[in-house]
Amino acid sequence: GQQLNQSPQSMFIQEGEDVSMNCTSSSIFNTWLWYKQDPGEGPVLLIALYKAGELTSNGRLTAQFGITRKDSFLNISASIPSDVGIYFCAGQRNSGNTPLVFGKGTRLSVIA
Amino acid sequence: GAGVSQSPSNKVTEKGKDVELRCDPISGHTALYWYRQSLGQGLEFLIYFQGNSAPDKSGLPSDRFSAERTGGSVSTLTIQRTQQEDSAVYLCASSLVAGMGEQYFGPGTRLTVT
Repeated sequence: GQQLNQSPQSMFIQEGEDVSMNCTSSSIFNTWLWYKQDPGEGPVLLIALYKAGELTSNGRLTAQFGITRKDSFLNISASIPSDVGIYFCAGQRNSGNTPLVFGKGTRLSVIA
Repeated sequence: GAGVSQSPSNKVTEKGKDVELRCDPISGHTALYWYRQSLGQGLEFLIYFQGNSAPDKSGLPSDRFSAERTGGSVSTLTIQRTQQEDSAVYLCASSLVAGMGEQYFGPGTRLTVT
């Protein structure tokens, strides 16, 4: 099935650095969500975005819903070791309860 | 409150055998989804239940896959005559129909077909 284009595929950063990752699509989505997945666990919802242009923060995380509705980015400021994991973007075409389309994930490694 | 639970957490089966995977959604969530995650990949949608409506089966990869949801709560995903390419983590998610559609995931069932 269709997947979103997520980049980068992996990142190795020093503790304290800022991180940026993004997702793009050839089609419009009405909702963008960002999840984090730790090994052996299910994805955990970090941020949900519902309006084009919306910028939302959750602690050190900031995400934006692109104005064209075809992209979104996630920034993590001042990274810490527990930020390690795989980050997934997900798009939802229709508002409300419809299946999510996922990116392939960005694997983040933090070097202390 | 309790999150989404899935069982078993791990399942190893021989090729050709049938398997059943179970999902208990968050209490009060009437929308339930099954996804599959292959190694190093994102999640792939399989099937979706919303209330008493007919399920959206558009993501099921073959007729060996089926799912049911009894009493509007617990769901079972069944894979018949398993193949090695069925090996993956099967994830269940639920959401509030009346909400914005944010989906909350269980820990998944890791299926290995030998």
